[in-house]
Amino acid sequence: GDSVTQMEGPVTLSEEAFLTINCTYTATGYPSLFWYVQYPGEGLQLLLKATKADDKGSNKGFEATYRKETTSFHLEKGSVQVSDSAVYFCALMKNNFNKFYFGSGTKLNVKP
Amino acid sequence: SAVISQKPSRDICQRGTSLTIQCQVDSQVTMMFWYRQQPGQSLTLIATANQGSEATYESGFVIDKFPISRPNLTFSTLTVSNMSPEDSSIYLCSVEITDTQYFGPGTRLTVL
Repeated sequence: GDSVTQMEGPVTLSEEAFLTINCTYTATGYPSLFWYVQYPGEGLQLLLKATKADDKGSNKGFEATYRKETTSFHLEKGSVQVSDSAVYFCALMKNNFNKFYFGSGTKLNVKP
Repeated sequence: SAVISQKPSRDICQRGTSLTIQCQVDSQVTMMFWYRQQPGQSLTLIATANQGSEATYESGFVIDKFPISRPNLTFSTLTVSNMSPEDSSIYLCSVEITDTQYFGPGTRLTVL
């Protein structure tokens, strides 16, 4: 069945370090892919999305590229800040089915 | 996108009681969703609520335990019935707009 697999956390980085959070998916067809961020005590916020192969989503310095050949959508940021500390969820949506599949979430801790 | 509000933001309830959670969105949407997020876990879809029809429940969730109303295109309620400590979770509503889901801030429920 359709699913999303994320790297386990927590991930602890120093401020200004490079961030990569791995996400791979299993799905037939051509799903849309998403990254959501959840700050402590809040709901999920859409961070970025990509709807077709080779698309790059970007927002607030974060980027992810839809790689169909490796079924991946890894999240990257060149220089993290303390304010980026949150839980990050990768998700996919099967087009025309309106159903989302979420990964398990990766907690990021950024230390000053 | 959409602005989504939920009431209450948090509550502490006694075992055996029921709680109704409200979700309000600032625009008319066809599809609304209710999720549960248990402590430290990812999101689990409870049901999909379309206006004018019965909610569609996911495996493991039943209408008697989680009745849902969807009286119009901007509002929905989820009731958690006959609560037990295992129901302690964050409950999130979301809406779908142009193939993307947007989330409310969540309702943090603790059952004693």
